[in-house]
Amino acid sequence: GAVVSQHPSRVICKSGTSVKIECRSLDFQATTMFWYRQFPKQSLMLMATSNEGSKATYEQGVEKDKFLINHASLTLSTLTVTSAHPEDSSFYLCSAPVPAGGAEAQYFGPGTRLLVL
Amino acid sequence: AQSVTQLGSHVSVSEGALVLLRCNYSSSVPPYLFWYVQYPNQGLQLLLKYTSAATLVKGINGFEAEFKKSETSFHLTKPSAHMSDAAEYFCAVSEGTSYDKVIFGPGTSLSVIP
Repeated sequence: GAVVSQHPSRVICKSGTSVKIECRSLDFQATTMFWYRQFPKQSLMLMATSNEGSKATYEQGVEKDKFLINHASLTLSTLTVTSAHPEDSSFYLCSAPVPAGGAEAQYFGPGTRLLVL
Repeated sequence: AQSVTQLGSHVSVSEGALVLLRCNYSSSVPPYLFWYVQYPNQGLQLLLKYTSAATLVKGINGFEAEFKKSETSFHLTKPSAHMSDAAEYFCAVSEGTSYDKVIFGPGTSLSVIP
């Protein structure tokens, strides 16, 4: 089946630094990817839609200048958390829709756990 | 706007017993519905999906779900629970193709008692 990877799987950083998270589609091309954030014991909240070759679309309440998204190729989207603070500590997941072929679903990466000290 | 509710944030069943996880949705257009499972500290795995074909959908690991338009429901069932089924389960809805954003329900934590 379709595989989506994320790197790193876990990152610890100091408050004020920036952290980049990569999301890759390993065996298919993804013109669209989605970024989610999940706080402990909570559901997934969609942060933004990453579009290859164009600007990302952010959900209401998500700061686009804080969460920078770059979708530079058909297999890679990156999320950069700028000037991270402890409240940004969370589990970040990306997903990519599988192209036409009947899958009609999104496949998720394994997630990146961010801890900001 | 689309939304998903899951009745019961936590469900406990005995090993071998029926699993029933409830999901109700709201959508202004015919929805696509999904069930995902999440094990601790892992990503999400697709269990099954409804995409306007058969109303009874069979998924992996013995799970199935039935789409009932009149009840706006998409409950997940499994005849006999296994210890390995203990996990967090999310019901989700999207308006159309897999390229549309997916809205997740709050999740139901399933515990299986030996």
